[in-house]
Amino acid sequence: SQELEQSPQSLIVQEGKNLTINCTSSKTLYGLYWYKQKYGEGLIFLMMLQKGGEEKSHEKITAKLDEKKQQSSLHITASQPSHAGIYLCGASSGPGTYKYIFGTGTRLKVLA
Amino acid sequence: DTAVSQTPKYLVTQMGNDKSIKCEQNLGHDTMYWYKQDSKKFLKIMFSYNNKELIINETVPNRFSPKSPDKAHLNLHINSLELGDSAVYFCASSQDKTGGAFLSNTEAFFGQGTRLTVV
Repeated sequence: SQELEQSPQSLIVQEGKNLTINCTSSKTLYGLYWYKQKYGEGLIFLMMLQKGGEEKSHEKITAKLDEKKQQSSLHITASQPSHAGIYLCGASSGPGTYKYIFGTGTRLKVLA
Repeated sequence: DTAVSQTPKYLVTQMGNDKSIKCEQNLGHDTMYWYKQDSKKFLKIMFSYNNKELIINETVPNRFSPKSPDKAHLNLHINSLELGDSAVYFCASSQDKTGGAFLSNTEAFFGQGTRLTVV
């Protein structure tokens, strides 16, 4: 069965530093999604990537999907305390499939 | 206005009890989901409903029974609660028309989660 592995599992950075979170799939992805979760809150949709080589940015967050569509990275530039939370990647393995899975999550802490 | 709302936000109960978690969405979406987030923060789908019809039922014990009185509501009822049921349960909805290809082209909106603790 398809799995999504995220790395690192947790990350502590100083405010202003850049960071990258990776999400790797055991199979080709149909769609890759990044979410952010704050404690006690729901998941917040960040970005969706579908095409190999695709890259999207929103404010200081950039997400990329590799050409083979098996790995995605989320990069945060000049991190701020507001970036703290748990970042989750999610994916479906194909259209019409009932299978949708999430990665294991990366807990990010930003020190002021 | 809250797009997807779950109640209660926190639930502490004893083993063996029966409890329900309610979910409502005001987005006009056709599809709603229940996810369970375990202690390792891994989210696993439990159920999906499309227009009140059960589409996905993923290896979930029979003690868990979803109920969708209309397409804006998907409640989760749990019988004979066990310690292992302790987790955060997330409700979600999306515009997906089939209830299957979750997030194939559209994003999903999640509720704030219900933290269930069974003691």
